[in-house]
Amino acid sequence: ILNVEQSPQSLHVQEGDSTNFTCSFPSSNFYALHWYRWETAKSPEALFVMTLNGDEKKKGRISATLNTKEGYSYLYIKGSQPEDSATYLCAFDVIGQGGKLIFGQGTELSVKP
Amino acid sequence: EAGVAQSPRYKIIEKRQSVAFWCNPISGHATLYWYQQILGQGPKLLIQFQNNGVVDDSQLPKDRYSAERLKGVDSTLKIQPAKLEDSAVYLCASSIRVQGGSQYFGPGTRLTVT
Repeated sequence: ILNVEQSPQSLHVQEGDSTNFTCSFPSSNFYALHWYRWETAKSPEALFVMTLNGDEKKKGRISATLNTKEGYSYLYIKGSQPEDSATYLCAFDVIGQGGKLIFGQGTELSVKP
Repeated sequence: EAGVAQSPRYKIIEKRQSVAFWCNPISGHATLYWYQQILGQGPKLLIQFQNNGVVDDSQLPKDRYSAERLKGVDSTLKIQPAKLEDSAVYLCASSIRVQGGSQYFGPGTRLTVT
């Protein structure tokens, strides 16, 4: 059974704090690692698709790194803002499984003004 | 570009009743997915379509769940009869590529079974 774990489960920070979350996934049968942001009452929004070991991606104040050999990815948010409050999901894209994503349980971020 | 549309957004039913959810994917996206997200867990794939055909339905509880994709575009997911444990958010997603590309999600249907 393929397992994807995210930590922490929830995080409460003050506006301006920088924060990071972890996604752990199997180091075998890797095709890609996806990050999504899901705000309450909205659609999950794709942040990054990462495929190569050592990949680093950036979108505004959010960045992510990937280590496929040890099976983890970090998501960083620099200078958190209240609008960053959301659940951040990672998903493991298994090679040969036709795009089936195995999701972690998510990290719920709350940023207080 | 219009996003993935889903309806209804919320549904409350009693156990043993039936319910149906509708999804309209992004135009041109051949691949369509239905996920179930139970509170506190990540989304779990129920069924994946490639055009009209089913690619993966290994986690669909086929005794009570059914899904179809009409003419390779819209899709419906049905539960009959519903159980308490079916309470969840049902997400529809679509993508151009079968693997490696982003999946684009609709807002989901929140189902409560009482």
